[in-house]
Amino acid sequence: GAGVSQSPRYKVAKRGQDVALRCDPISGHVSLFWYQQALGQGPEFLTYFQNEAQLDKSGLPSDRFFAERPEGSVSTLKIQRTQQEDSAVYLCASSLAESSYNEQFFGPGTRLTVL
Amino acid sequence: AQSVTQLGSHVSVSEGALVLLRCNYSSSVPPYLFWYVQYPNQGLQLLLKYTSAATLVKGINGFEAEFKKSETSFHLTKPSAHMSDAAEYFCAVTGNYGGSQGNLIFGKGTKLSVKP
Repeated sequence: GAGVSQSPRYKVAKRGQDVALRCDPISGHVSLFWYQQALGQGPEFLTYFQNEAQLDKSGLPSDRFFAERPEGSVSTLKIQRTQQEDSAVYLCASSLAESSYNEQFFGPGTRLTVL
Repeated sequence: AQSVTQLGSHVSVSEGALVLLRCNYSSSVPPYLFWYVQYPNQGLQLLLKYTSAATLVKGINGFEAEFKKSETSFHLTKPSAHMSDAAEYFCAVTGNYGGSQGNLIFGKGTKLSVKP
């Protein structure tokens, strides 16, 4: 069966450009998470959706970061006016239900490089 | 706030040797704990999880971990390393115990190398 997919897999942006990263979760999964993984670090939480509702965006590093999941399935993470410090791998994960102990299934990530 | 510490950013073992990857957590309440593995250019895959049932948890690929509350530890072990185990391993704890959110808080990871 299909897992979590993300596109593009690689993105190179010039500083100041806007980028949009897409996540297709596993069909029927209620919860969707975005994480940022800097080089040599563990993933760090960005934001969380339960269906179409964004319940937590406390991890977004600045107001240049925006995420949406309008129909409760596909999600897009948008970064405006990209900076070099935004260079990282952005991981999307989905989970069947909203409980803390449910397994999160991760996509392969989008590697963003800002020049 | 909950946190995870992984001792050793890089561990090297010989094929067939014991694998021990260390993880200590900081939590004011009993946590849910996870070990994930990440192969190059791939997403994270769940190896095993502790959810307050048995303290010794068995996972995929022969890995297991033991929850020790007195030591606030959740170390990952495998009796005999295989070349295919070479990857990066992340320990994680949920951010909200018992809540409906469940965002993971990860350690910095341990890269496992296996020598032939």
